[in-house]
Amino acid sequence: DSGVTQTPKHLITATGQRVTLRCSPRSGDLSVYWYQQSLDQGLQFLIQYYNGEERAKGNILERFSAQQFPDLHSELNLSSLELGDSALYFCASSATGGGDQPQHFGDGTRLSIL
Amino acid sequence: EDKVVQSPLSLVVHEGDTVTLNCSYEVTNFRSLLWYKQEKKAPTFLFMLTSSGIEKKSGRLSSILDKKELFSILNITATQTGDSAVYLCAWPQGGSEKLVFGKGTKLTVNP
Repeated sequence: DSGVTQTPKHLITATGQRVTLRCSPRSGDLSVYWYQQSLDQGLQFLIQYYNGEERAKGNILERFSAQQFPDLHSELNLSSLELGDSALYFCASSATGGGDQPQHFGDGTRLSIL
Repeated sequence: EDKVVQSPLSLVVHEGDTVTLNCSYEVTNFRSLLWYKQEKKAPTFLFMLTSSGIEKKSGRLSSILDKKELFSILNITATQTGDSAVYLCAWPQGGSEKLVFGKGTKLTVNP
């Protein structure tokens, strides 16, 4: 158990809908990262938050947004969903966000778009 | 362009064998390299390597980094079926600390 909690574990929805994925980092970790894993793309970085502020962005679509709240949990919002958004979405956390500590991953949310 | 290349992509061995997984990298502003094990769910952290030539060990797993030749290896001795997984190496891209992952090595250990 990494200590990173993600909910829900599975999500099935239809094209055009909007969903919210939730992540609670390990106790004491200030930085949260979101990754997308699909069969053909491997693990791809989406966005990083550190202590409530956005720190880095990857190839995140404009239809996707995220935020980190004062209690340090984070949410990833996906809207106008398309079939290609079906993937595993992982949240990871680290103590500092400075690359000197490893990231620890949650079990992921499997999103299926019908 | 920064890249992390793993080899082999797939490996099938018998229980008790020793395996060596490779990760080579061409990156700017290298700071560290990480190894993860991914079974059905989350990538599980194994090692973080920052210094060349210093081996890190955890039970039957060990890893070492060569910063001159730009590669790392992950060794697993006396493999068990529970070692079957995809092993990923990753590099925290400088400045943003986002992890850039290799495509992974899928290890299958048969009884």
